[in-house]
Amino acid sequence: LAKTTQPISMDSYEGQEVNITCSHNNIATNDYITWYQQFPSQGPRFIIQGYKTKVTNEVASLFIPADRKSSTLSLPRVSLSDTAVYYCLVGDKDTGRRALTFGSGTRLQVQP
Amino acid sequence: NAGVTQTPKFQVLKTGQSMTLQCAQDMNHEYMSWYRQDPGMGLRLIHYSVGAGITDQGEVPNGYNVSRSTTEDFPLRLLSAAPSQTSVYFCASRRTSGSKVLTDTQYFGPGTRLTVL
Repeated sequence: LAKTTQPISMDSYEGQEVNITCSHNNIATNDYITWYQQFPSQGPRFIIQGYKTKVTNEVASLFIPADRKSSTLSLPRVSLSDTAVYYCLVGDKDTGRRALTFGSGTRLQVQP
Repeated sequence: NAGVTQTPKFQVLKTGQSMTLQCAQDMNHEYMSWYRQDPGMGLRLIHYSVGAGITDQGEVPNGYNVSRSTTEDFPLRLLSAAPSQTSVYFCASRRTSGSKVLTDTQYFGPGTRLTVL
C-alpha cells in the first residue's frame, strides 16, 4: 500500500537550506499533500500542507508541480533541532478509501 | 483542550494476553486512526474510523480490533498478544472537511510503548 517515495536519509549542516522530495504518483484529485516531523519518542507533528503550487509558513515551504506527482519540502537555514524524520502524507486513491498512509520517511541529520 | 490522549504510556504483556489501548480526543474530530511504529521504521496504519460506528482496516490490521461507539474514543484491542506486536502505538485524529477537498492535519497522541514477551 506504499503510496509515497522519499529518500531514506539526508545530511546537512547548520544554516543550510534542505530540500526533501516526495514522489506520489497515485495522488487523488481531492487530496492534499501534508508533511510531518517526528522527533524520537514522540508522535509526528504537522509542518505544512498544500494542494498545488507553493505554500509557505513560518517553518517551511512546500513546492508542488502542476502534475502533483511529487512535492518538495524546503527547510530554510536548518539548525541542530531540525534533526528528525520527515514524512509526506497523501490519501489512498486506489482503494477509494480515505485512508492516510505514511511514506517511509526521510531521516534528516543536521551537523554543526 | 487536551488534544489526543493515550493510555497507558508503557505496557508489558506476555504472549497470549489481551489488552486494550485507549485513545481519546476532545477536538470533536470525525477521523481517528491507529498506527504502529517499529524501531527505526515509519508509521503503518492499523485501523481507522471516519466517524462513530464506522471503522475500516489499514495496512496491518491482523491481530487488532477496533470500535468507535463515540466521537471521542477509539480503543485498540489486542486479542492475543504476540512478540511481533512489540511496537510503539500512536493514535491520531483529524477534522474531515465538508467540502470536496480533503484537508489532512492530523494530531497525534504521545504514544504507547508496548512490549510482548
